[in-house]
Amino acid sequence: DSGVTQTPKHLITATGQRVTLRCSPRSGDLSVYWYQQSLDQGLQFLIQYYNGEERAKGNILERFSAQQFPDLHSELNLSSLELGDSALYFCASSVGGQGASYEQYFGPGTRLTVT
Amino acid sequence: DAKTTQPPSMDCAEGRAANLPCNHSTISGNEYVYWYRQIHSQGPQYIIHGLKNNETNEMASLIITEDRKSSTLILPHATLRDTAVYYCIVIPSSNTGKLIFGQGTTLQVKP
Repeated sequence: DSGVTQTPKHLITATGQRVTLRCSPRSGDLSVYWYQQSLDQGLQFLIQYYNGEERAKGNILERFSAQQFPDLHSELNLSSLELGDSALYFCASSVGGQGASYEQYFGPGTRLTVT
Repeated sequence: DAKTTQPPSMDCAEGRAANLPCNHSTISGNEYVYWYRQIHSQGPQYIIHGLKNNETNEMASLIITEDRKSSTLILPHATLRDTAVYYCIVIPSSNTGKLIFGQGTTLQVKP
């Protein structure tokens, strides 16, 4: 158990809908990262928040947005869903938000299926 | 960021050491080498990281060549539960910490 929790575990929804994925980082970790893993793209970095502020952005679609709240939990919002958004979405957390000396701890993921 | 090259797959006998190579010939002096693994559809798991020196923890050892152009992750006594995709990732110290995953090496531990 990494200490990172994600809800829900599974989500099935229809095209055009909007969903929210939730992540609670490990106690004491200030950074939260979101990753997407699909069969054809592999693991891709989406976005990072550090202590409530956006710190880095990856290949995140404009239809996707995220935020980190004062209690440090984070939410990833996916809207106007398409079939291609079906994937595993992982959240990770780390102590720091700058520098390469902090390991990341990953949650179990949310499996999103868009039908 | 430095690119890494890993063999797509490897086999290892249970109980033997698994040696997973990674080539990062364009690595810069301030870039760290990280190893993560992902056991089938679970969240990736941090294994070990290093900058210049060899490192060892309860999971594995990391051997970095003197010129830092390649490294080897060693699982000393592989078990069936070590079957996973292993990712070697190079991260600059100036990075925010985001991980850029390649294709990794699929390690199959066989009885």
